[in-house]
Amino acid sequence: AAGVIQSPRHLIKEKRETATLKCYPIPRHDTVYWYQQGPGQDPQFLISFYEKMQSDKGSIPDRFSAQQFSDYHSELNMSSLELGDSALYFCASSPPERNTEAFFGQGTRLTVV
Amino acid sequence: GQQVMQIPQYQHVQEGEDFTTYCNSSTTLSNIQWYKQRPGGHPVFLIQLVKSGEVKKQKRLTFQFGEAKKNSSLHITATQTTDVGTYFCAGRHRGGGNKLTFGTGTQLKVEL
Repeated sequence: AAGVIQSPRHLIKEKRETATLKCYPIPRHDTVYWYQQGPGQDPQFLISFYEKMQSDKGSIPDRFSAQQFSDYHSELNMSSLELGDSALYFCASSPPERNTEAFFGQGTRLTVV
Repeated sequence: GQQVMQIPQYQHVQEGEDFTTYCNSSTTLSNIQWYKQRPGGHPVFLIQLVKSGEVKKQKRLTFQFGEAKKNSSLHITATQTTDVGTYFCAGRHRGGGNKLTFGTGTQLKVEL
């Protein structure tokens, strides 16, 4: 069965650079979530989209932005990267039925040096 | 803000012992989900509870949703080495849209 695809799987950037993380949800899923997980931490909700519109916003820094495109894939854009942005970034998707489980991708490990 | 706390943070058990993690939300939840994350892996959905006082079982795992829909628990009977990982509860708060807030997690280690 198709799963949530994230790319790239690993990314190394220098401070003050920009990064773009991509997420391809499971076909037919219309909701996408982005989470940030630091070492030994729980996933922190960043932002979510439903039917290509931003639906909820969490602890996403102003330096980050995200959008969901017409084909439902989503991109998380991160600018002016800081060392503290180093983390695992997960994308998850949910089907149209409300309040259902979230299917997580493998994650993108971002390292800022 | 909406917070979801879990205790304990860590638990080491001998194989065959039971394990319980408790989840407590600062606000009433519309539903609660449980996820398991293996080391180096991603969160994997286990179950969702919706009704007040609901209890669900999956083999050796028993999940419970509190009467006030602000707390939940996961109990594993006779742990096995395959149970190793971090268990997260995740809740949707009433009036909080579709946002899923994760608990702080309980890391389980099982020793032979």
